[in-house]
Amino acid sequence: EAQVTQNPRYLITVTGKKLTVTCSQNMNHEYMSWYRQDPGLGLRQIYYSMNVEVTDKGDVPEGYKVSRKEKRNFPLILESPSPNQTSLYFCASSLQGLENIQYFGAGTRLSVL
Amino acid sequence: AQKVTQAQTEISVVEKEDVTLDCVYETRDTTYYLFWYKQPPSGELVFLIRRNSFDEQNEISGRYSWNFQKSTSSFNFTITASQVVDSAVYFCALNNNFNKFYFGSGTKLNVKP
Repeated sequence: EAQVTQNPRYLITVTGKKLTVTCSQNMNHEYMSWYRQDPGLGLRQIYYSMNVEVTDKGDVPEGYKVSRKEKRNFPLILESPSPNQTSLYFCASSLQGLENIQYFGAGTRLSVL
Repeated sequence: AQKVTQAQTEISVVEKEDVTLDCVYETRDTTYYLFWYKQPPSGELVFLIRRNSFDEQNEISGRYSWNFQKSTSSFNFTITASQVVDSAVYFCALNNNFNKFYFGSGTKLNVKP
């Protein structure tokens, strides 16, 4: 089954404790992206990757890191999480960037205390 | 600047009523794509439609229809004869030449029986 898999689905952590949210897709997609969803703000793009080893900032990259060492994986790293990073996070992938339909993971709900 | 505005935060209708969700976008790009996504209460994001900037034809898919007007920078979504299963948050999104995605803040649709 074609899918985007995010783990974990739920995470509660404390300020400053490094964490990684994994994202994997099995559709051989070139483009992958991370978003955060906050009430009243919709989805905002954090980082995106056009291909392996190519990443770029979205609208809200501060406090986040990503890496794209393999086509299928695109982990989101929070080196020192803060309470303002409490949010619902979505990973997405598409065949390419412009024009293509994005397929989303189920989401990761993160709480930073 | 790229921006998507969904001015309707929440709409409530009674089943079988028609409802239109508004989407206004801003971009200086000549080539861009517009999307609508649905987020039901279960939380996943479901693709509904994609439209490119050169195709202003309206589209109908069952009870759903979309009206794209470049002159007013709008891409509105109409649900005819709404059903309870249409209750969800609907997002409009813009994808531009730089491969970034911009989402609106979403419109929550409540369809009451």
